[in-house]
Amino acid sequence: EAQVTQNPRYLITVTGKKLTVTCSQNMNHEYMSWYRQDPGLGLRQIYYSMNVEVTDKGDVPEGYKVSRKEKRNFPLILESPSPNQTSLYFCASSLWTGLNEQFFGPGTRLTVL
Amino acid sequence: RKEVEQDPGPFNVPEGATVAFNCTYSNSASQSFFWYRQDCRKEPKLLMSVYSSGNEDGRFTAQLNRASQYISLLIRDSKLSDSATYLCVVNFDEYGNKLVFGAGTILRVKS
Repeated sequence: EAQVTQNPRYLITVTGKKLTVTCSQNMNHEYMSWYRQDPGLGLRQIYYSMNVEVTDKGDVPEGYKVSRKEKRNFPLILESPSPNQTSLYFCASSLWTGLNEQFFGPGTRLTVL
Repeated sequence: RKEVEQDPGPFNVPEGATVAFNCTYSNSASQSFFWYRQDCRKEPKLLMSVYSSGNEDGRFTAQLNRASQYISLLIRDSKLSDSATYLCVVNFDEYGNKLVFGAGTILRVKS
């Protein structure tokens, strides 16, 4: 089944404790992206990747890192999480660019205390 | 001014009603537009792309008005299953890397 998977789905952590949210797609898509969704603000892009080893900042990259060592995986790293990073995070992939249909993962609900 | 603005609603309509949402965008150079649907904080899913000439998919019709910089979504014969949040998405660069999402419009269809 074609899908985007994210882990974990729910995470409660404390300020400053490094964490990684994994994202994997099995559709051989070139483009992957991370978003955060907050009430009243819509989805905001954190980082995106056009291909392996090619990543770039979105609108809200501060406090986040990403890597794209393999085509299928695009992990999101929070080196020192803070409470303002409490949010619902979505990973998405699409065939070539964001202009192709984006397939979203199920989301990761992160709470930073 | 927000880059992409939507009326948050909620729009409460009876089954069978016709309902329309608008979405305005700030970048006059934007070329690509989409409507995504999101159920109850689940992942968004593409509903339809919006083409310059307008397009229709069953009960759903999308229109683009470049002069006034807005797109619209019309839903005819609303079903209970149409209840969701509808997200307007606009690209803000020529490569398709910067997509801006609206905050969404909530639709509730009631029997």
